[in-house]
Amino acid sequence: ETGVTQSPTHLIKTRGQQVTLRCSSQSGHNTVSWYQQALGQGPQFIFQYYREEENGRGNFPPRFSGLQFPNYSSELNVNALELDDSALYLCASSGADTQYFGPGTRLTVL
Amino acid sequence: QKEVEQNSGPLSVPEGAIASLNCTYSDRGSQSFFWYRQYSGKSPELIMSIYSNGDKEDGRFTAQLNKASQYVSLLIRDSQPSDSATYLCAVNHSPGSARQLTFGSGTQLTVLP
Repeated sequence: ETGVTQSPTHLIKTRGQQVTLRCSSQSGHNTVSWYQQALGQGPQFIFQYYREEENGRGNFPPRFSGLQFPNYSSELNVNALELDDSALYLCASSGADTQYFGPGTRLTVL
Repeated sequence: QKEVEQNSGPLSVPEGAIASLNCTYSDRGSQSFFWYRQYSGKSPELIMSIYSNGDKEDGRFTAQLNKASQYVSLLIRDSQPSDSATYLCAVNHSPGSARQLTFGSGTQLTVLP
C-alpha cells in the first residue's frame, strides 16, 4: 500500500459529459501527478501540481484541468468527454524524486 | 519527442531462470530511471530506482544503467510465477522540481512453473 487513495474506483460516462476524479496523496507528499493509461500502453503524463500550482503539463488538451488543495489532495477534471478518454487514470504522489501510484480510476466513456 | 522504448515481449521464462528486461531512452539529459511492476488490473508498483551508471541490486532484482548508451535494464534472478506481470520502464527527463515521468509501453513477463 502506497498511502495514495483515489475515488471513485470505476466510472461510466457518456460522450460530452464532464467528470471529476479525486486523489489523496501520501502523508508528507506535496506533489501530485496525474497520468492516463490506455489499455496495453504505458501511463502518459497529464500534469503535475506542486503546492497548489500547476508545475508541468503533458500533451493533453485544455479540457483536462486540475486542482490541488491546501492538504495536497487533488482533482482531475475532464470536460466534453470523448470515447478515447476511456482509460485508467492514475494519481501519483511524491515528496522527492520517486512517485508512488494510487490504485487508479477506471473511466469508461460510452 | 522524448521517447522510452522497451522490448515489446511477451517474454516467457521458466521458474528459477533469469529474466532480462531492456529499455532505451532518447533524451541524454535524463536524470533518473525507474522500474515499475504492474499486475493485470492494478496500478504500477515501484520496484527499483537508479540514478548513476552501473548496477544497483535489491534482493532478486538488479537494475543496470548505461547513460552513454542510453540504456536501462532490469534483471530478475530466480524468477517466480508471482513475478508474472507487465514491467514498465520510466524515465524522468525533467531536472528540478517538475518530476515528469515518461513511460515505455511495458514488457509482459510470464514465469512458467
